[in-house]
Amino acid sequence: AQKITQTQPGMFVQEKEAVTLDCTYDTSDQSYGLFWYKQPSSGEMIFLIYQGSYDEQNATEGRYSLNFQKARKSANLVISASQLGDSAMYFCAMREGNQGGKLIFGQGTELSVKP
Amino acid sequence: DVKVTQSSRYLVKRTGEKVFLECVQDMDHENMFWYRQDPGLGLRLIYFSYDVKMKEKGDIPEGYSVSREKKERFSLILESASTNQTSMYLCASSVGQSYGYTFGSGTRLTVV
Repeated sequence: AQKITQTQPGMFVQEKEAVTLDCTYDTSDQSYGLFWYKQPSSGEMIFLIYQGSYDEQNATEGRYSLNFQKARKSANLVISASQLGDSAMYFCAMREGNQGGKLIFGQGTELSVKP
Repeated sequence: DVKVTQSSRYLVKRTGEKVFLECVQDMDHENMFWYRQDPGLGLRLIYFSYDVKMKEKGDIPEGYSVSREKKERFSLILESASTNQTSMYLCASSVGQSYGYTFGSGTRLTVV
């Protein structure tokens, strides 16, 4: 069965520094997608970045990059130049098989950015 | 702006009540999902649907049922609410040709 693991319940980072949020996954499928979402205290789920299992390049979106290591089954999120507004819960998620199929989420990491 | 709308932001119900959580999307998406979110457990999939009148169990379907009579509406039903169903409930939708998912703003349900 597919599984997503986030081992860091909480993280602190100094403003303007970079931070890495860990995510490992388990699947027997060859085709899958990996996602990161941000959830601020308001509760909305904000899509950050996507990596397909066949994508050879690591995905990047502005200050977000996904460090995709397929052999190790890890998909860590790197946030560069942290801002106070980055304080939130962060969820890693995986979709097996076809686009638009069910997402399985990790436990989440609460990131706090200190001024 | 495309939207997934959940009918209530906050809901308080009594133990044993039948509870309906409604989710409506205006994007003509085929796929719809219900999750519950609890601290330390992340989002767990309750039920999902890939088409009208179709439903499949997720990881934690016990105590829940769903209804999808129309493409745009996916209802989560708590047949007899219990205190351990106190949680945040999130609805989401997606379309098969894209990797995008749209989430509702959530319903925080308290069962007393």
